[in-house]
This record gives sequence, C-alpha cells and structure tokens, in this order.
Amino acid sequence: EEQLAESGGGLVKPGGSLRLSCSSSGVTFSSYSMNWVRQAPGKGLEWVSSISSSSGYISYADSVKGRFTISRDNAKKSLFLQMNSLTAEDTAIYYCARDLSLSIDVWGQGTTVTVSS
Amino acid sequence: QSALTQPASVSGSPGQSITISCTGTSSDVGIYNLVSWYQQHPGKAPKFMIYEVNKRSSGVSVRFSGSKSGNTATLTISGLQAEDEADYYCCSYAGSSTFVFGTGTKVTVL
Repeated sequence: EEQLAESGGGLVKPGGSLRLSCSSSGVTFSSYSMNWVRQAPGKGLEWVSSISSSSGYISYADSVKGRFTISRDNAKKSLFLQMNSLTAEDTAIYYCARDLSLSIDVWGQGTTVTVSS
Repeated sequence: QSALTQPASVSGSPGQSITISCTGTSSDVGIYNLVSWYQQHPGKAPKFMIYEVNKRSSGVSVRFSGSKSGNTATLTISGLQAEDEADYYCCSYAGSSTFVFGTGTKVTVL
C-alpha cells in the first residue's frame, strides 16, 4: 500500500519562501496524479494544487495561483510544492495526497507551515 | 471555487442514524458523480471513506453510505458508534483537474 510522507515545513517570515517535499513508498507513484491539500488551524480542508502523472497538466486554487508551484520527480517518487510570497493566511498543515481516478484517496500525515514575523 | 456547504454540526445517540448534507453547484456536485467523503479525528490526517458518491473505500464499515440528488450529496452513518465522533468533509471534482472541499461537519455522539 502506498504511503506518503511530507517534509519541509517550518516557520517562515511573511514574504518568505518554503519548499515542501512529499516522498512516496509506492511503486506506482508515476501512474497517479498528485495533489496538495492544506488545513489552517481549526479550519477545514482546502485543495491547493494538482499535477498529472507526467506533469503535463497542472492546476492551482485561486488563493495560491502565481505564488505556489507544484512539481514532481517520478524517478525519485517525489512531489514538491514551492511556496513564495507567503502570508499569514498560508499558515496550515499541508498534506500530500494521491488522486485515484479523480478521487483523493491516500494522504500523508502532513507538514506544518507557520508564517509569522 | 467556493467551498461546498455542510452543516457545522450533527449529533445523534448511539445506534441512531444521522445524515450529513453537502451542497454544491451545477459546476461540481451537480455535474460529476465524483463526490468523496473523509473522516478526520483530531490531530490526524483525513481518512478516505466514500468515493464516486456511494462506493465505500476498502475496510470502511457498511454503516457508512453515500448518495446524491441534484447539487446535494449526503453521507449517512447508520448505527452510530462512539468511534464515529469526528469531523467529516465532502469533496467534489470540479473540472479542469480541480477539487473543492466542503466546509466540514463535526459529528457528536451523545
């Protein structure tokens, strides 16, 4: 069964940048589209970004468009999220999640991003 | 990309059945049979429960079922148990490789 593990979270100042990584233990990582989903403290889930299996199709939520960049390295079974121009509203747990035929099924445990001066 | 609307809280006694609604629009829930439901306990990652409106994920109890009518999807929990107390989120595919989540519902077992 595929397992996902996020890393790269931490404390960053407003306007700063951070790069999140997600490592997959599965052998079929390259077959699936992948997503980033976030959850602000005490709030609900928010879809952030999606990337297709071959990186040919990428989409973003309006709230992060132009600031965040999703990418993947199938050879290393890894997913990334480059986050720039961070604000306090980006403070959240960021989850890496697999897309199983347009249903998000497997989730990592999340990595926490805190944007504060 | 507005969040799907869910009731903030639903409660029931052990053994009872409860329903959680998830209302979207004709651009997401209404047009795609791609509604999923997730259970989230405090401090934990979401757990995949239901997909494609009414299909249970592997290992999920038959007490959980899903349905959809028009722009509203519904999660039903039958025979409510103490371990069902958690937050529940719906999610719909919204086209062009985007997804939209519900506002979340806190289920309390009385």
